Amino acid sequence: QSVLTQPPSVSGAPGQRVTISCDVNISYFGPVIDIHWYQQLPGAAPKLLIYSNTNRPSGIPDRFSASKSGSSASLAITGLQAEDEADYYCQSYDISLNYVFGPGTTVTV
Amino acid sequence: EVHLVESGGGLVQPGGSLRLSCAASGFTFSGYNMNWVRQAPGKGLEWVSYISSSSSTIHYGDSVKGRFTISRDNANDSLYLQMNSLRAEDSAVYYCARGRYGRSWYIDSWGQGTLVTVSS
Repeated sequence: QSVLTQPPSVSGAPGQRVTISCDVNISYFGPVIDIHWYQQLPGAAPKLLIYSNTNRPSGIPDRFSASKSGSSASLAITGLQAEDEADYYCQSYDISLNYVFGPGTTVTV
Repeated sequence: EVHLVESGGGLVQPGGSLRLSCAASGFTFSGYNMNWVRQAPGKGLEWVSYISSSSSTIHYGDSVKGRFTISRDNANDSLYLQMNSLRAEDSAVYYCARGRYGRSWYIDSWGQGTLVTVSS
């Protein structure tokens, strides 16, 4: 079982809302961890999208939001746009595992 | 503005060596922990190595331990990754990445990456 689990892909029509889940295997992590999210556009480097579960860095549109409850986190994109087509990764940190990334979810608009 | 520029990638034979560099600008490099993260073609992100701001603490992923060495030169705002005994599975885009601490560690800035191809 993966440390962090994400669906391989999600899709939505322009203007719709999509969500991406990130499930934490609590066998690896303690009960309280933070989840961070990255967006990787085709051919580009990853970019920080959400940090510490719910926080958007400056410059990230408020169409992107995230939440965490228990061992599951979720990234939501509202008002889906063509430019949102990308791979999205969740990430956590553990003192022994260091940075751990989810397998990534491809969003298709 | 934070700017991270990697260099040093290329084609290398299995068993060979390569040294990656990352030039940092736009922030106080000596005040930040740094990382290398890689991405094999068509695959996800894999953390490779971490170095603290003063180089006092260094960590490696299991897949590169004993073969890769991370280092930094704070006087010249540079991060390095010495890669030895390279294998085909080390082929990837290697990103220089700045670590940031909120309530846990995350990466707030990434370079554009440098491609390493290990092949005969």
